[in-house]
Amino acid sequence: DAKTTQPTSMDCAEGRAANLPCNHSTISGNEYVYWYRQIHSQGPQYIIHGLKNNETNEMASLIITEDRKSSTLILPHATLRDTAVYYCIVRVEPGAGSYQLTFGKGTKLSVIP
Amino acid sequence: GAGVSQSPRYKVAKRGQDVALRCDPISGHVSLFWYQQALGQGPEFLTYFQNEAQLDKSGLPSDRFFAERPEGSVSTLKIQRTQQEDSAVYLCASSSVDVLATDTQYFGPGTRLTVL
Repeated sequence: DAKTTQPTSMDCAEGRAANLPCNHSTISGNEYVYWYRQIHSQGPQYIIHGLKNNETNEMASLIITEDRKSSTLILPHATLRDTAVYYCIVRVEPGAGSYQLTFGKGTKLSVIP
Repeated sequence: GAGVSQSPRYKVAKRGQDVALRCDPISGHVSLFWYQQALGQGPEFLTYFQNEAQLDKSGLPSDRFFAERPEGSVSTLKIQRTQQEDSAVYLCASSSVDVLATDTQYFGPGTRLTVL
């Protein structure tokens, strides 16, 4: 699976949009971008995933650049409960081989009142 | 609840003791994963089951680590002769293997193992 690069930490004011970047310049054509987050003392939680089109769900939006070498996770209105470590993960499509998730160190997002 | 549960939540062991960590996946989930998370690091893959078959154990750090899922539901991760470097949070995750689905992995809260 391709390697990802994320900033170590970010701050965001409560109520503002949080934009978390991720670089994955070696991504292959059949690899998806997944985002998980881990709130302190909990297991990781799935947020969203995409291949090449932008995606949106009730939690967040995922913007993938046209060349697919980078992406941005957007939390539109950050709350204190969004304070967590956010992991960007690149992996092959479901059912196409390895099922494991390869986590990096992620970005520690702190939402400030 | 309907989520993944793990027990115990906390375990303290003396060096050299054997420990057993339990994972109850979401009912009906075919796939089950174990990950190890050291302090300040992201989770690292240990092993993967599809039903009762252990299809990948490439992440197990030594032969002291053993996992089983005999009936394709509950899984146990056993660590023999624990060492201080085994201190970590052990996470279990499960997913359905429907290839048309997102293959989302649902994680339990983890077991924090401290080896003294």
